[in-house]
Amino acid sequence: DQQVKQNSPSLSVQEGRISILNCDYTNSMFDYFLWYKKYPAEGPTFLISISSIKDKNEDGRFTVFLNKSAKHLSLHIVPSQPGDSAVYFCAASEGNAGNMLTFGGGTRLMVKP
Amino acid sequence: DTAVSQTPKYLVTQMGNDKSIKCEQNLGHDTMYWYKQDSKKFLKIMFSYNNKELIINETVPNRFSPKSPDKAHLNLHINSLELGDSAVYFCASSPPNTVNGEQYFGPGTRLTVT
Repeated sequence: DQQVKQNSPSLSVQEGRISILNCDYTNSMFDYFLWYKKYPAEGPTFLISISSIKDKNEDGRFTVFLNKSAKHLSLHIVPSQPGDSAVYFCAASEGNAGNMLTFGGGTRLMVKP
Repeated sequence: DTAVSQTPKYLVTQMGNDKSIKCEQNLGHDTMYWYKQDSKKFLKIMFSYNNKELIINETVPNRFSPKSPDKAHLNLHINSLELGDSAVYFCASSPPNTVNGEQYFGPGTRLTVT
């Protein structure tokens, strides 16, 4: 039973355009949501997070939006760059569960020059 | 200057063997984790461990056991390896009093059981 889902396994966008990666969750006890980026043969690296009490967090080209009523979050990358090509994982943490992360299945983003 | 390191990077072994994967972090973090990424690319938590508490994902077979000789290390021991244990295993760590659950991951160990 997947508590965090990324329904798009892949996404292709043109350089300079916006990339929108989506994530849905079912567990209302999650208190933080995180996005990780992963290159082949490397471990995931942290990108940005958002508290469940916020609806937006921005860091440079990356913005995460949270719609708590819909149990949905999205990561916007604008403008997209070829170096952004990677697999993006959505993750959620529940503070009273040892901060273990529950991951979605990932979305492979390809940014074409 | 690697923050979270794992050895070996690749491990090929036969069914029934016992093997260990080592993890070290030089970040001064006090909580460490093991994750398994299966063939479908899902990353699943196996253990969360600090010097006070071990939290085990209930789906993890008891053939898997974490061992922590000190705060900077969390090794993963696997007994009686099975074909289904083939996966990439990631170690991670998080700082004390982390609020958002941010974790720092190692590069992964690809385990192949034949």
